Amino acid sequence: GNSVTQMEGPVTLSEEAFLTINCTYTATGYPSLFWYVQYPGEGLQLLLKATKADDKGSNKGFEATYRKETTSFHLEKGSVQVSDSAVYFCALSGNGQNFVFGPGTRLSVLP
Amino acid sequence: NAGVTQTPKFQVLKTGQSMTLQCAQDMNHEYMSWYRQDPGMGLRLIHYSVGAGITDQGEVPNGYNVSRSTTEDFPLRLLSAAPSQTSVYFCASSLKTSGFYNEQFFGPGTRLTVL
Repeated sequence: GNSVTQMEGPVTLSEEAFLTINCTYTATGYPSLFWYVQYPGEGLQLLLKATKADDKGSNKGFEATYRKETTSFHLEKGSVQVSDSAVYFCALSGNGQNFVFGPGTRLSVLP
Repeated sequence: NAGVTQTPKFQVLKTGQSMTLQCAQDMNHEYMSWYRQDPGMGLRLIHYSVGAGITDQGEVPNGYNVSRSTTEDFPLRLLSAAPSQTSVYFCASSLKTSGFYNEQFFGPGTRLTVL
């Protein structure tokens, strides 16, 4: 079945550092790929998405590119802020199938 | 639009008690689902529904029941609460386009403690 693997962290960075959170997936066909963010005490919010190969999703300075050849959707941000501290989930949606979420990566950004 | 709403936000139960967690959405989404989130476990799917009158089990369905009598509502029932059901519960909904489910919209969660 479909699956998502992501680095589990925790990841601790200083403000203005570069962020990469790796995400790889296993799926048949061409799934849609998502990154969600969960701030403390809140539900999950969609951060960005990509629905076909080579698509780049972007939002709030975060970016991720759908790489079919490496089955990856790595999340990047050039300069993180303290307010980016949260848990980040990679997810996929296959054709007619349930969503599959990765285990989440906790990011802490220190001032 | 209110999006996805969940009630209550917090609940404490004693072992053996039953209760219903409420979930409603006003976006006319076909797909609705319930997850539980435990520390270090990510999100685990409990039950889901692809439309009114249709429900199915997810990864961890034991001890929970659901029904979907309307498009808007998808309540989750705990039949006889156990300490292992202490968790944060999230409801989510999604629209289907061309065979694929679009992004899920999540409610704010219900934090449940079973003593």
